[in-house]
Amino acid sequence: GAGVSQTPSNKVTEKGKYVELRCDPISGHTALYWYRQSLGQGPEFLIYFQGTGAADDSGLPNDRFFAVRPEGSVSTLKIQRTERGDSAVYLCASSLQRDQPQHFGDGTRLSIL
Amino acid sequence: AQSVTQLGSHVSVSEGALVLLRCNYSSSVPPYLFWYVQYPNQGLQLLLKYTTGATLVKGINGFEAEFNKSQTSFHLRKPSVHISDTAEYFCAVGDTVRRALTFGSGTRLQVQP
Repeated sequence: GAGVSQTPSNKVTEKGKYVELRCDPISGHTALYWYRQSLGQGPEFLIYFQGTGAADDSGLPNDRFFAVRPEGSVSTLKIQRTERGDSAVYLCASSLQRDQPQHFGDGTRLSIL
Repeated sequence: AQSVTQLGSHVSVSEGALVLLRCNYSSSVPPYLFWYVQYPNQGLQLLLKYTTGATLVKGINGFEAEFNKSQTSFHLRKPSVHISDTAEYFCAVGDTVRRALTFGSGTRLQVQP
């Protein structure tokens, strides 16, 4: 079956611009997670959705980062006034329920020039 | 708070050799433990997981890991590696309180012919 889909796979933009990253989870998965992976590091948690609501957003680095999941399926991670330090691979994962293993997408590689 | 330490950022072995990748964790509540593999330009793929029960966990592709509560370890091993096992391996910890995973910094495994 279809896995977690993330678009775009690559995004290059200039400092100060606004970007949106999309995640389409596995059908029926109620839990959705965003992580950020910098070069040579493990993924770092950003935000977790259970259904439509953000159950834990403690990993968002500052108020330039925001995420939504309005219908409990597709999620969008939004970054305002991008900075060069935001360059990383942004990974999305979903799971059937809260305590089930997370399945990851291939990520969006974001480069801020 | 949770944390994961992976000893050895790079490991190089010959094809057919035994490999052991080390992982130590810290968690204030009973942990869930995972090993994920990441191939270049791809997302993370679950190798195996420990939640409760038997401490020796078998995963895909011939990998296994043993949960040791007293040593707070969850080392990954494979008796005979193949060139196709060349990838980056991440250990992660989760729990029933905080749904998000905390990852180690990864170990890059290089299998030589």
